[in-house]
Amino acid sequence: NAGVTQTPKFRVLKTGQSMTLLCAQDMNHEYMYWYRQDPGMGLRLIHYSVGEGTTAKGEVPDGYNVSRLKKQNFLLGLESAAPSQTSVYFCASSYSDYYEQYFGPGTRLTVT
Amino acid sequence: RKEVEQDPGPFNVPEGATVAFNCTYSNSASQSFFWYRQDCRKEPKLLMSVYSSGNEDGRFTAQLNRASQYISLLIRDSKLSDSATYLCSTGKLIFGQGTTLQVKP
Repeated sequence: NAGVTQTPKFRVLKTGQSMTLLCAQDMNHEYMYWYRQDPGMGLRLIHYSVGEGTTAKGEVPDGYNVSRLKKQNFLLGLESAAPSQTSVYFCASSYSDYYEQYFGPGTRLTVT
Repeated sequence: RKEVEQDPGPFNVPEGATVAFNCTYSNSASQSFFWYRQDCRKEPKLLMSVYSSGNEDGRFTAQLNRASQYISLLIRDSKLSDSATYLCSTGKLIFGQGTTLQVKP
């Protein structure tokens, strides 16, 4: 059981470039989430999904898009990266929003 | 007002000390409560779920006070390895900002 995995672990982008972060879980969870965490700040929810084919906006969705084509995968896209998107991105999953969340190891993204 | 509030600290305590953190929440309908631990530059990991009757896991005790709308985490006999940030959650995608604990030799 790998739990929640994230690809890549590190990435450096130039302003205006695009990229996709991949999250995969093998726990058959319905719910999946993308958060960003900046120094001295807590987790901020970007987008989430309550099942295959569904997505919803969180607290800070601007500049990001997501897709959940398969139950086990949740993709986060940055179409035109900005320095303000420099952050650590965590993916998580859970059975429902009443249950505990399981987090991936994070992706450290720097936008120059 | 934030839905979940924590004192960010840091709490600096000597080894062997007992330390307690509180986390207040604003939604009286909250049903699920959790404490997560996050080590520096790592992902959050579940430390304990918090039940209405309170629960204990070794040196860690979690309590829920619905009347005053807060949850607490008590750590007894602090170890150096307890140094981390502790996040509370009321489920429903709501997390506090975290409380940082530094245990000193």
